Amino acid sequence: AQSVTQPDIHITVSEGASLELRCNYSYGATPYLFWYVQSPGQGLQLLLKYFSGDTLVQGIKGFEAEFKRSQSSFNLRKPSVHWSDAAEYFCAVVQGAQKLVFGQGTRLTINP
Amino acid sequence: AAGVIQSPRHLIKEKRETATLKCYPIPRHDTVYWYQQGPGQDPQFLISFYEKMQSDKGSIPDRFSAQQFSDYHSELNMSSLELGDSALYFCASSFKQGSGSGYTFGSGTRLTVV
Repeated sequence: AQSVTQPDIHITVSEGASLELRCNYSYGATPYLFWYVQSPGQGLQLLLKYFSGDTLVQGIKGFEAEFKRSQSSFNLRKPSVHWSDAAEYFCAVVQGAQKLVFGQGTRLTINP
Repeated sequence: AAGVIQSPRHLIKEKRETATLKCYPIPRHDTVYWYQQGPGQDPQFLISFYEKMQSDKGSIPDRFSAQQFSDYHSELNMSSLELGDSALYFCASSFKQGSGSGYTFGSGTRLTVV
């Protein structure tokens, strides 16, 4: 079954620095991949999604992600983080034809 | 734009009580998914419905049941509540069973069992 792994449980970066959050997927064919962000006690907000086509996907809030089949990765990037980006980030993949399966999440802390 | 509406936003129940969570999908979305997110955990899939029929089942306890109604809203019924049921419960909706149209999540219902 399709799954995603987020190797980093917690990442700390300084405000203004660049960011890359890792996500690896396990699936033979082209997966449907998503990145969500969740602030404490809040809902899940979709940042971006990849279904097919251009492997570099632009999302909201200045985020982008690149689908790399050769590395089975879908890493999330942002060139310059803001203090408001501190949150939990989840990578997710569609399993079967239906449900989303989430990675373990990466907690992002921003140093002033 | 209309979003996925969940009610109530917060719910406090005692052990062994019952709870009903409601989810109103985005108009024209025909599929509803329920997820449970414990403290510090990733969301876990519980159950989904497509066109009012159960389409998939995950790690949902037998004490829980759910259904989707003719207007496509869904309700998650939880009985004999346990302390471990305290969590954020998310509903998501999509069109055509996640065929690529994407999912939209509600803001969640925070259930606290005391």
